Amino acid sequence: DGGITQSPKYLFRKEGQNVTLSCEQNLNHDAMYWYRQDPGQGLRLIYYSQIVNDFQKGDIAEGYSVSREKKESFPLTVTSAQKNPTAFYLCASSISLADGSYEQYFGPGTRLTVT
Amino acid sequence: AQSVAQPEDQVNVAEGNPLTVKCTYSVSGNPYLFWYVQYPNRGLQFLLKYITGDNLVKGSYGFEAEFNKSQTSFHLKKPSALVSDSALYFCAVRDRRAGTALIFGKGTTLSVSS
Repeated sequence: DGGITQSPKYLFRKEGQNVTLSCEQNLNHDAMYWYRQDPGQGLRLIYYSQIVNDFQKGDIAEGYSVSREKKESFPLTVTSAQKNPTAFYLCASSISLADGSYEQYFGPGTRLTVT
Repeated sequence: AQSVAQPEDQVNVAEGNPLTVKCTYSVSGNPYLFWYVQYPNRGLQFLLKYITGDNLVKGSYGFEAEFNKSQTSFHLKKPSALVSDSALYFCAVRDRRAGTALIFGKGTTLSVSS
C-alpha cells in the first residue's frame, strides 16, 4: 500500500452524522484522489486534487466534501446529505514520471458503515 | 464518453494453466491503460501500464498485457497461474476530464484452483 495511510480501517456511524476519513501520504506526490468502491461497481471518483489548496469534483461528489491544506493530507468528509454512504473508501496519490506517464498508488482503504 | 469494460465477472483457471482477464476500452485519442489487483479488504496494487510503444507490456508478479488498438483491448495475461493470484483485478484508463484520475472497470474476480 505504499506510503499512504488511511484511518481508521473500519468506521461505524449513525445515520445523520457527518464523518471525516483521513488520508495521509509521505510520497511527496502532488495529486491526490478519493474513490468509492461498491461491490460489482468498480471504483468511482469522488474528488481529486492536483495541487495544494485546489480540488475538483469527480463523478459522485454530491454529499461529500474535501480539503487540501497540506500536500500530504487530503481528508474526506461524508456528510448527512450523502444518501447511501456505506461503502469502501480508497484514497490514492500519483506522481508524474520522466517519460510523461504516471502511476497511482492506493491506501489500504476505510470501510464505512452507516446504520 | 470514456469507459472501460471487463466483460467477465469471474474467471476460473487451474493452477499452472495460462490465464487471461479481458478488458476493452473506449476513449478519444491515445489511451493510458492500467491494471491493478486487489486482495480482500485491501487497497489496489499497481500491476502494469501502457502509455506508448511496445504493445506487449510486462508487469509485476509475472503478469503481462497486450494492447490492441484495432480491437480497443488491453487483456491481462499470465503464462502459468498460481493459487496466490486469486484476487480482484481492475482495468483502468486515464480520465481526460480529471487530470490524472482513472476510470475503472467493474472488476473481474480471478479464482485459481489447486
